[in-house]
Formats: sequence, structure tokens, C-alpha cells
Amino acid sequence: GAGVSQSPSNKVTEKGKDVELRCDPISGHTALYWYRQSLGQGLEFLIYFQGNSAPDKSGLPSDRFSAERTGGSVSTLTIQRTQQEDSAVYLCASRWGTEAFFGQGTRLTVV
Amino acid sequence: GQQLNQSPQSMFIQEGEDVSMNCTSSSIFNTWLWYKQDPGEGPVLLIALYKAGELTSNGRLTAQFGITRKDSFLNISASIPSDVGIYFCAGSPSGGYQKVTFGTGTKLQVIP
Repeated sequence: GAGVSQSPSNKVTEKGKDVELRCDPISGHTALYWYRQSLGQGLEFLIYFQGNSAPDKSGLPSDRFSAERTGGSVSTLTIQRTQQEDSAVYLCASRWGTEAFFGQGTRLTVV
Repeated sequence: GQQLNQSPQSMFIQEGEDVSMNCTSSSIFNTWLWYKQDPGEGPVLLIALYKAGELTSNGRLTAQFGITRKDSFLNISASIPSDVGIYFCAGSPSGGYQKVTFGTGTKLQVIP
């Protein structure tokens, strides 16, 4: 596609349920990032995939968070047993070369 | 790990004023990037800097890559209401195979 696509754009879930957030990066981009952003705040790094290398998971806040990237393309961020503090916008970015391109994010609300 | 400190955290300015924000790193970067995030959108690249000392303009925006390679600043001249948003700096040790680190963001409000 022309840009980074994230789905769903909005997700409301009950506390304790699992959620999956999807990111379709720009075709050919070898690097993929997930960030979390609380309302009007900065970008909190979660995880970074680069080609076939082991992902940098240093930003994942707890073991309830995991992500995978299949075939070097689509990535899924999974949050298990969601908590209210997980409510935020989850942004995905892909990169090849200098510039990172962002998707529009998934707004997750845990009620 | 690398950290990027961005300041100020937020600012309120009158329309027409100039704005300056900066970013400092605990280690050297070879690429500096400045992004803007409009409300409800993902960040979009404004300016990319590749060489120490480089000064680059994009319309009313000017950014500089610090000589020490540990800092960068962004200036916005003659601000307008649509400049509202969050501005992020980002740095990378080199090109596409190195992780990009983002700053904490500067939230800009423009009073008409």
C-alpha cells in the first residue's frame, strides 16, 4: 500500500480481555517499530523489528505485551489480560533508509 | 541506552511569534529528524539532517544539526494556528539499519 496501515483504528475492550493490533508496513521496509502514546504525551518505545534479526523488546512494559512480525511484513501487537492503564494510542512505524513513516494509530480504550 | 531530552515540554505562543525547541542526546547521532504530529494523526517528517553543522529550511521551519552531533534545534518563524501539534525530534546512529530513538516531544499551542 501507499502508507503504513493500522487496524482497527479504534478498539474498546473490557478489562481482562486480550486484544490484537495489526500493522501493515510499507512494502519493502525492513524496520518496524511499535510505540505507545498516552493522550497528548510523548512516544513510548515498545518494540523494534529489523529484518531477520532478533527484535528489540526492551520497551515492552510487561509480559502481557508481545509482538510478532510474520514474513518480514505484517506485525501484530498482542496485549493479554488488558488493564485500564493500557488505554492509549498504539502507533506503528516502518522504515527503510532514513525516514520512519507512521500509521495513524489504534486508539485502545479498556473499560 | 540512548536518551533524547527535548525541551520545552510544552509552550503557548501568540500567532506570529517565532518558536524554538531543542533536543539533546547522551550519545552521538549521525542523523537527526524532526517530526510533527497533528491531533489524531501519526507523526509526519518535517526535516531530516545528515551532517554535523547542517542547517536546513523547509518553509518557515529551520533545523540545525549540532556540531557535537549530540543536539539539534528546530525553529518555526511567524507561527500560525495550524502549527499546533506535538513536535518530536529523533536520532539515529546511521542509516536504515540502526534503531531510531525519539524525543519526548514538545507540545505547541498557538493563540490566535
